[in-house]
Amino acid sequence: QVQLQESGPGLVKPSETLSLSCTVSGGSIGSYYWSWIRQYPGKGLEWIGYVFYTGSTFYNPSLKSRVTVSVDTSKNQFSLKMTSVTAADTAKYYCARGSRDGYFGDHFDYWGQGAMVTVSS
Amino acid sequence: ETVMTQSPGTLSVSPGEGATLSCRASQSVSSNLAWYQQKPGQPPRLLIYGASTRATGIPARFSGSGSGTEFTLTIVSLQSEDFAVYYCQQYNDWPPYTFGQGTKLEIK
Repeated sequence: QVQLQESGPGLVKPSETLSLSCTVSGGSIGSYYWSWIRQYPGKGLEWIGYVFYTGSTFYNPSLKSRVTVSVDTSKNQFSLKMTSVTAADTAKYYCARGSRDGYFGDHFDYWGQGAMVTVSS
Repeated sequence: ETVMTQSPGTLSVSPGEGATLSCRASQSVSSNLAWYQQKPGQPPRLLIYGASTRATGIPARFSGSGSGTEFTLTIVSLQSEDFAVYYCQQYNDWPPYTFGQGTKLEIK
């Protein structure tokens, strides 16, 4: 059974960089697309970006200038960095495995429990 | 960006009855649509992908239908554990993948 676990600071100061990691267990990080998704306190879900095990990435255009997603296959981990955070970035951050449907995109079949990140001084 | 709109925002149904949840896309997403269930304090759980294919371990009382811009999640004979928030997600037009705002299914 594949399991994902987020880790990282729960409090980040405005203008600083949010950093989270996701450790994948029970399966290899190879051959799947690994995404970060956040959920605002009002419950809306926003896809942030993904990394393939080869290191190729795709980002939400609205966040692209501030976000980097990377993978470390030796540790079966992938990571999120988001720069210049503001209070609007306060959310629960989930890592999730994307399963590709043919030539189209991903639905998310495994999710971590989520990491709450608050941006505040 | 494809905007996903779910209706109703809240649906009140008695246990044992059926429920129909709707999801509309601002442009065609073909059949590239997934449904998720989320309970308080838990991450979303994949129910349906490809508009109508149940994910592994999902009971047969859950079914999905539709294509293009109009989609439906139907739950027959609601069990107590089915009361939750449901989200749709399109993966046809990306980036970005986009989600609906959710429908809360509550006990009447």
